[in-house]
Amino acid sequence: EVEVVESGGGLVQPGGSLRLSCATSQFTFSSHWMTWVRQAPGKGLEWVANIKYDGSEKHYVDSVQGRFIISRDDAKKSLYLQMNSLTAEDTAVYYCARGRGWSYGEVDFWGQGTLVTVSS
Amino acid sequence: AIRMTQSPSSLSASTGDRVTITCRASQGISTYVAWYQQKPGKAPNLLIYSASTLQSGVPSRFSGSASGTDFTLTISRLQSEDFATYYCQQYYSYPLTFGGGTKVEIK
Repeated sequence: EVEVVESGGGLVQPGGSLRLSCATSQFTFSSHWMTWVRQAPGKGLEWVANIKYDGSEKHYVDSVQGRFIISRDDAKKSLYLQMNSLTAEDTAVYYCARGRGWSYGEVDFWGQGTLVTVSS
Repeated sequence: AIRMTQSPSSLSASTGDRVTITCRASQGISTYVAWYQQKPGKAPNLLIYSASTLQSGVPSRFSGSASGTDFTLTISRLQSEDFATYYCQQYYSYPLTFGGGTKVEIK
């Protein structure tokens, strides 16, 4: 069974930084695009960033461009999201998700999410 | 960014009903559309990709279709476990974007 498990969320002050991790197992991590999606409390889904299976392409939503960095470690089968200069608008549950097959778009397995709260 | 306008934002229906949810893209996106179901406190679940291809393991009462920039998710006979929020997503161009969601509630 495919497993995707996020960690690293928590309470952080405005302007602070946080690094999210996503540990995966039971699939060939190095063959899949990986994606971060977030959901603010009571709100809809927002695509945040994705990274190609070989790490050669990274894409971000405009609101996090220049502040967030997506990365991956194929040896550890893990995905990361370094979040800097955080604001209250970044408060959300952050989901890590696997791209379906070779696709960069649709995602077929999601973690349970990790909550990031930006507040003083 | 491509905007996905989803409607309605909520609906009330009874088990056995046929339910239709629509997303309209702000520009042409071919069939680069996926649909997800999300239940409270849970991660989303992929239902449909490429506008009309059923994801493995998803019941056949779910279907998707496309007409120009309009995309439709249909649940042919609503079951109790289908009460949830549904989202469309375009992956034609970056940034990828989701619709605002449709909450399907029990009438």
